[in-house]
Order: sequence, then structure tokens, then C-alpha cells
Amino acid sequence: GAVVSQHPSRVICKSGTSVKIECRSLDFQATTMFWYRQFPKKSLMLMATSNEGSKATYEQGVEKDKFLINHASLTLSTLTVTSAHPEDSSFYICSARLIRTSGSYNEQFFGPGTRLTVL
Amino acid sequence: KNQVEQSPQSLIILEGKNCTLQCNYTVSPFSNLRWYKQDTGRGPVSLTIMTFSENTKSNGRYTATLDADTKQSSLHITASQLSDSASYICVVTTGNQFYFGTGTSLTVIP
Repeated sequence: GAVVSQHPSRVICKSGTSVKIECRSLDFQATTMFWYRQFPKKSLMLMATSNEGSKATYEQGVEKDKFLINHASLTLSTLTVTSAHPEDSSFYICSARLIRTSGSYNEQFFGPGTRLTVL
Repeated sequence: KNQVEQSPQSLIILEGKNCTLQCNYTVSPFSNLRWYKQDTGRGPVSLTIMTFSENTKSNGRYTATLDADTKQSSLHITASQLSDSASYICVVTTGNQFYFGTGTSLTVIP
């Protein structure tokens, strides 16, 4: 099956520092990856759509200069939280879209998530 | 407006009992519907995916149904286990967009 990994799984940083989270599709190529943020007991909130070789598309209210996304290859997208503050503490989840030629439907596979804590 | 609504918001059941979670959607055009299980502190894991022509699909003790006419889906869990405690998320897909339900939090108690 399609596997998506995230690294790191957990990170604690000081306020004002930047943190990079990696999302990799391990056994398939993904032209599109997604970044989500999830607060406790809440559903996933889409932050941005990461497109390989082009600029990411951000959802309304998400600061693109705060959350830098780079999709440099077909298997890797990175999210960098710049100048992190305690309010950025959250659970960040990525997913990668697999387009199946048979059955003609898209599937989305999620990474295991990254817990960010900003002190 | 494309929306996905799930009910109940939360549910507590005894171990061994069955339960059914509901998902109603207004998403159009419809491509497929997927149920995910999300354990606390983990990413969602797919349970089932259903396309327009499929009415029922099973994955072990999980059985999903789809009524494309009424735009309703259900996830039935049989003989629940403590490990079933998680959030269950319904996601409806068009050609390119994914629409998430708010999830149902299931707690199975001994």
C-alpha cells in the first residue's frame, strides 16, 4: 500500500526559532501533497496544497510567509514554521494524493503527524 | 455549498457492542467517499473507500454503506474492541477536492 512518512514525529523548540517538517511519499510519486493542522479534539484543517515544481496554494487565513512550503520533488514536501510562537503549537499532518489510473479516482494517504510544541 | 456532516459528534459504547456512525454530504460532483480512523496523536488511516456504484464495503469488523441518492453513508462497527476508540472521519472527494467531516469520537469502555 501507499505509505507516507513524516519527520520529525515530535519537536520542541524555543519561541522565535524555525522548524522544518518533512513529508515523504515512500512508494509512489505525488505531484500534490497537503498540509493540515489539527487542534485537540478537532478535525483536520487544511492549511495549504503543495504542488511539485510550483508555488503552494494557501487556504484563506494561513500566512504563507509564516508557513513556508517547498515541494521540490515528487516524493518530498517540506513545511517550515518560521519564527515559531507558542500559538503555533499544534499537530501538523501531511498527506499525499495518489491518482489511480484504474478505477479513475484519487486517494489521499496521510502521514503519522508531527507534534510541534513551541516554548 | 459542499459540506460533510457527521453524527453523532461523540459516542461511548461498551466493549463487544455494535455501533453505527453517520455521514451526510452535499458534495457534488461525487467521486468517492472514504472512512478514516484516527487514533489520538496519529495520522488518519483509511478503512474503506466507496465509489458511486458501490453500496457496501467491508473491512474486517468495519462495514461501510453508501446511498448515493440520499447522499448518506454509514460506518458500522461490529463487536467493538477497546482499540476501536478513536476518531472516525468521513471524507468525500470530487475530482480534485477533498471535503472532511468533523469526525465522530468513539470511546469503547470495558
